[in-house]
Amino acid sequence: QITLKESGPTLVKPTQTLTLTCTFSGFSLSTSGVGVGWIRQPPGKALEWLALIYWDDDKRYSPSLKSRLTITKDTSKNQVVLTMTNMDPVDTATYYCAHRRRDLSGTTFDYWGQGTLVTVSS
Amino acid sequence: DIVMTQSPDSLAVSLGERATINCKSSQSVLYSSNNKNYLAWYQQKPGQPPKLLIYWASTRESGVPDRFSGSGSGTDFTLTISSLQAEDVAVYYCQQYYSTHLTFGPGTKVDIK
Repeated sequence: QITLKESGPTLVKPTQTLTLTCTFSGFSLSTSGVGVGWIRQPPGKALEWLALIYWDDDKRYSPSLKSRLTITKDTSKNQVVLTMTNMDPVDTATYYCAHRRRDLSGTTFDYWGQGTLVTVSS
Repeated sequence: DIVMTQSPDSLAVSLGERATINCKSSQSVLYSSNNKNYLAWYQQKPGQPPKLLIYWASTRESGVPDRFSGSGSGTDFTLTISSLQAEDVAVYYCQQYYSTHLTFGPGTKVDIK
C-alpha cells in the first residue's frame, strides 16, 4: 500500500526559505520509473505543479518557479525534500507530494499525501 | 507552457442527470508516435487531495465507477458523469502530461441542483 505524508512548518515569514519533507512507504525511489512530485494549491484556487524527481535523480521544475525550487531525494530514508526560497504571502497554499504513476510514459499522480498548509505571514 | 482551460467554471446538475465538463489545451497533447493523448482528469472533494480518475484522456483508473468517462483528442477534451450521484460533488481538474512541465486546468465545480 502506497502512502505519502508531507511535513514541515505551518508558518513561515516572508523572505524565509521553506523546507518540506515527503515521507513515503509502499514503493522505492530506486525502482525504475518511480517518481515523486510536489503540487500546491492556494486556498480556494487551482492546483499548480512545482517539481518532480525521478528514480534516476532526474529533476523537473515549474519554469515560473525554477529559480526558487530545489528537489532532492534520500532513498534510504524514503523521503523527498522540497525547498523554496524567498517565500512570499502569495506562496500560502496547501502543499502536496504525490507518487508518479509508473506505467505511463508521461506523469500523472495516482497517490497523494493529505497535504500540509503553509502560511506565509510576518 | 501548455495552458489548460476548462468550462464551465461551475455547474449544478440534478441527481441522476448527466454532467459534462470541457477542457482545452493551448496546443495539441496528442503524441503522434503512439497516438495517445497525454491528458488526465482528477476529482477533488472538499478537504481531500485530488484523486486520479482518468488518464490517456479516456482510460479509467482502477476502481473508478464507469459513470465517469473521458473523450476527446488533440486540444479538446470532455469528462462526462453519466448519472450524477451525491458523492460526485467535487471540483474536477484536467492535467496535461505531454510536456514535462505539467499543467492543470483551473477546475470545474460540480454541485447538485
